[in-house]
This record gives sequence, C-alpha cells and structure tokens, in this order.
Amino acid sequence: ETGVTQTPRHLVMGMTNKKSLKCEQHLGHNAMYWYKQSAKKPLELMFVYSLEERVENNSVPSRFSPECPNSSHLFLHLHTLQPEDSALYLCASSQDEGYQPQHFGDGTRLSIL
Amino acid sequence: GQQVMQIPQYQHVQEGEDFTTYCNSSTTLSNIQWYKQRPGGHPVFLIQLVKSGEVKKQKRLTFQFGEAKKNSSLHITATQTTDVGTYFCAGPRTGANNLFFGTGTRLTVIP
Repeated sequence: ETGVTQTPRHLVMGMTNKKSLKCEQHLGHNAMYWYKQSAKKPLELMFVYSLEERVENNSVPSRFSPECPNSSHLFLHLHTLQPEDSALYLCASSQDEGYQPQHFGDGTRLSIL
Repeated sequence: GQQVMQIPQYQHVQEGEDFTTYCNSSTTLSNIQWYKQRPGGHPVFLIQLVKSGEVKKQKRLTFQFGEAKKNSSLHITATQTTDVGTYFCAGPRTGANNLFFGTGTRLTVIP
C-alpha cells in the first residue's frame, strides 16, 4: 500500500540540528495526522489537520512544528530535539476528521544523538 | 484520563494454535477499529465494528464488539507465521473527533 508516503525513512540528527519530516498522501483524503510511536508505548497522537487547518495539538512541545500547505502534504519541522524524542514518527490520513479508518505511511525512524 | 488497555501485552503461540487479544475501554465506545502492524511496518486497518454485540469475520480472524460497547476481542484460528505482528484496537477519543489507540498485543508465532 503506497497511499501515504513518508520521507525520509530514517533520520539521525544531533540535538542542535533542524530537520523536517515529509508526508504525502495520494488518497484524496481531507484529514492528516502525526503520531509518535515509542517502544513499549501506544501510538501517541501529536497533531491533527482537517482541510489544511490544525484542529488538535496534543500538548506537544514547541520543538515540534507541523505544517500543512495543502490537503495532500504534511510536514513536521524539528529543532533542538531531546534524546527522548527518538521514536518512529507515523503520518496517517483519513477521508475526513472523525472516526474513519486511517491509512498510515511507513514512518520515519528518528534517532537523536 | 481515557484508557484503552489490551491484554495480553505479548503472546507467543505455536503455529496452528488459536490466539485471542482483548481490548478494554474505560469509556463506552460508539465504534471500535482494529489494526495490525507487522514488525518494521506500519499499522494497517483491518475492520470497524459499530453495533453492540456485533461479530465480523475475515477468514481466520473473528472480531467481536461487547454488548456494553466497552470491550472488544480479536480471535485468530489456527495461527500462521504471517499473523505475526502487533494488533491494536482504537476507539473514539473522549472529547475529540479522532481515534485513541490501545496499548497493543504483540503476537509471535513459532513455526
């Protein structure tokens, strides 16, 4: 399934670096999501965008900055991250916001040195 | 806060044995979804249940939604090595218009 594409697949960065994660969906969906998945933890919802408008920000530190330029693209800008931010970052989309099935990308495995 | 617990957290089975994972919510759910994440992969939607007591089948997988709509189960008959992965349930997030994922059950199938 290649409906949701994430780049890069792997990223290693220092705590002072600035990088961005990219997500693109080819499904014509109106809602997009960023999740964080750490070992031994459930999926943590970070941000929700519906029709390019941010509708939820789940108490995420300001060192994570999302951007949704259009309904097909979603970015997560990273700066001055901490070691505990090392995780798998998953992007997902659904037809609309709500309780509809979500389609996930392969994720970006992020390691903070 | 909202909790969606799954038990067991881990399960090892011999190939051919049955497997069941249970999803228990602290709140009543209007619907519940199940996802499967293969090792190194991403969650993939399996099914959605909406009605109280609903039972749905997909080949060897049987999904059930509890009568009180606070719990659900996924049963796999005669497991195969392709069933390996983590199974997540997800329900509506309290006070929000999106999903809350459960803690997951990691299944290992021994050939």
